[in-house]
Amino acid sequence: DVKVTQSSRYLVKRTGEKVFLECVQDMDHENMFWYRQDPGLGLRLIYFSYDVKMKEKGDIPEGYSVSREKKERFSLILESASTNQTSMYLCASSTSGQGAGNEQFFGPGTRLTVL
Amino acid sequence: GNSVTQMEGPVTLSEEAFLTINCTYTATGYPSLFWYVQYPGEGLQLLLKATKADDKGSNKGFEATYRKETTSFHLEKGSVQVSDSAVYFCALLIYNQGGKLIFGQGTELSVKP
Repeated sequence: DVKVTQSSRYLVKRTGEKVFLECVQDMDHENMFWYRQDPGLGLRLIYFSYDVKMKEKGDIPEGYSVSREKKERFSLILESASTNQTSMYLCASSTSGQGAGNEQFFGPGTRLTVL
Repeated sequence: GNSVTQMEGPVTLSEEAFLTINCTYTATGYPSLFWYVQYPGEGLQLLLKATKADDKGSNKGFEATYRKETTSFHLEKGSVQVSDSAVYFCALLIYNQGGKLIFGQGTELSVKP
């Protein structure tokens, strides 16, 4: 059974803290993605990665950074958490190439609250 | 640019009612189209997809047809169940943009017994 796991389901942090959100996939996928989900806004792409040590900015990268040291793991980092980063964070992965239709497989999400 | 627009929710239906959730898109190139579903407390799951014009995706009684002439991919189900209560997301993917999905804002569906 294919799986994307995220390190926490719920997280509460204080303003100014450094926050790490971890995502691991067991499907040997090349592509990995971080989104945030907010009511009325759908999912917005923060960062994505095509391969180990590669990263690309998405639509809303400000205030975030990422790390991909191993193929299966993609970390999202909030350098200095702020209250406007309170949100649901979703990780996804997909294979590269067109044959598989590029279906993205999602983790269960991490609900982050910044106080 | 590329974008997806869905009808606003929440949508509230009685069990066995007919469901339509509208989705239209704007895209450069030739996108693939997807419907994802998010059940309460869970991540997103792929519901169905279509990769070219006039394709029909179907799964679990849901259907959507890729209409290039109207740039639409409306989701339909003939008879909804309480267990269909969820948030539904329409999305498009353009291959030359590296597998990125562009999502609509989501439509919440609530089915009452």
